[in-house]
Amino acid sequence: DAGITQSPRYKITETGRQVTLMCHQTWSHSYMFWYRQDLGHGLRLIYYSAAADITDKGEVPDGYVVSRSKTENFPLTLESATRSQTSVYFCASSTSGARTDTQYFGPGTRLTVL
Amino acid sequence: QKEVEQNSGPLSVPEGAIASLNCTYSDRGSQSFFWYRQYSGKSPELIMFIYSNGDKEDGRFTAQLNKASQYVSLLIRDSQPSDSATYLCAATPGYNTDKLIFGTGTRLQVFP
Repeated sequence: DAGITQSPRYKITETGRQVTLMCHQTWSHSYMFWYRQDLGHGLRLIYYSAAADITDKGEVPDGYVVSRSKTENFPLTLESATRSQTSVYFCASSTSGARTDTQYFGPGTRLTVL
Repeated sequence: QKEVEQNSGPLSVPEGAIASLNCTYSDRGSQSFFWYRQYSGKSPELIMFIYSNGDKEDGRFTAQLNKASQYVSLLIRDSQPSDSATYLCAATPGYNTDKLIFGTGTRLQVFP
């Protein structure tokens, strides 16, 4: 029972480089979410997806791109990484929208942008 | 003003005591409220959720919701050192129930 996995777990990159963080879930959950967690800001939603090929912005989408061609995968791309994008990134999934359902979180990816 | 606010703590309580964690929200349209626990270096995990005014109990945990005061709380009875973690309050905004808005979390320390 793999659940929800993220890769890589740790990543160091340089300003201006493109970085893709991967998220994979084995539950066939409809909804998937990307959050970033920073000291003093808590968890902030970047993007979410209600189903394959349906994505929507969260609180802090600027500088990020997502896609969801398959239900089980939800990659997050930083097209040109900036130091302000240094953070811990969590992917989550749920069977339905947030109002009535538990979100299950992946282990996180710690990204450092130099 | 953040939509969901929590005192960052730390809240320190002795083992066996009741820990009371508080959260306020600004959106009167918010319908669902969640408490997540996050151990240091780990991912958040759901403790419980509440939709209706009043209390909801699950083992040592009780969530309380007061929509008139826009206030949610989590009580942890018989606190244990293993309860030491950051507790995140979250709410669905009234304008979009597909997503959650999280508070910044309250760090709880339970000392022996």
